[in-house]
Amino acid sequence: AQKVTQAQTEISVVEKEDVTLDCVYETRDTTYYLFWYKQPPSGELVFLIRRNSFDEQNEISGRYSWNFQKSTSSFNFTITASQVVDSAVYFCALRPASGGSYIPTFGRGTSLIVHP
Amino acid sequence: DTGVSQDPRHKITKRGQNVTFRCDPISEHNRLYWYRQTLGQGPEFLTYFQNEAQLEKSRLLSDRFSAERPKGSFSTLEIQRTEQGDSAMYLCASSLGGSGTQYFGPGTRLLVL
Repeated sequence: AQKVTQAQTEISVVEKEDVTLDCVYETRDTTYYLFWYKQPPSGELVFLIRRNSFDEQNEISGRYSWNFQKSTSSFNFTITASQVVDSAVYFCALRPASGGSYIPTFGRGTSLIVHP
Repeated sequence: DTGVSQDPRHKITKRGQNVTFRCDPISEHNRLYWYRQTLGQGPEFLTYFQNEAQLEKSRLLSDRFSAERPKGSFSTLEIQRTEQGDSAMYLCASSLGGSGTQYFGPGTRLLVL
């Protein structure tokens, strides 16, 4: 069985602060994908990143960066110099890389509130 | 805009009524997924299609729920005899093949009174 834990229910920061959203996962699959999605108040889940379990290289995209550590089963997401527009619920998800259905398991989400 | 679209965006209905939601996936995507999301939770898988074939259904999908994708393009999700517990956001996603990244639509918010 797969499990994704986002222990932080809500994080509140002031604009320009850096913030890290934690994601810890459990899986018996040897190959899998990890994802982060952003859900603003409008409701649509916006895809941010996908990471293959073979690729532990960290990634940076503008103010966003992701730290994948297979040894601790974590895939954390950092926003540098947060902005009010970053306010949203962020979901981490895990999906098998083989097996046919490729159904992802989502965490419960972390609500990020960025105050001006 | 060539993303996933859903209609309606909001639906209020009375308990016992039937409702139908529509999802139009990204045009070249052959996989289409339906999820349900309640407050404070992540999306939960309901069912998925590969082309017109419905390949898997979650046990969350009771007998009152039915989904179709008749021509392998758009899909509909119908809930019969709605109950208050059906109130949720219903999300649709599509992907190019099973290994492709799923892209989500804006969702349909259902409120059952």
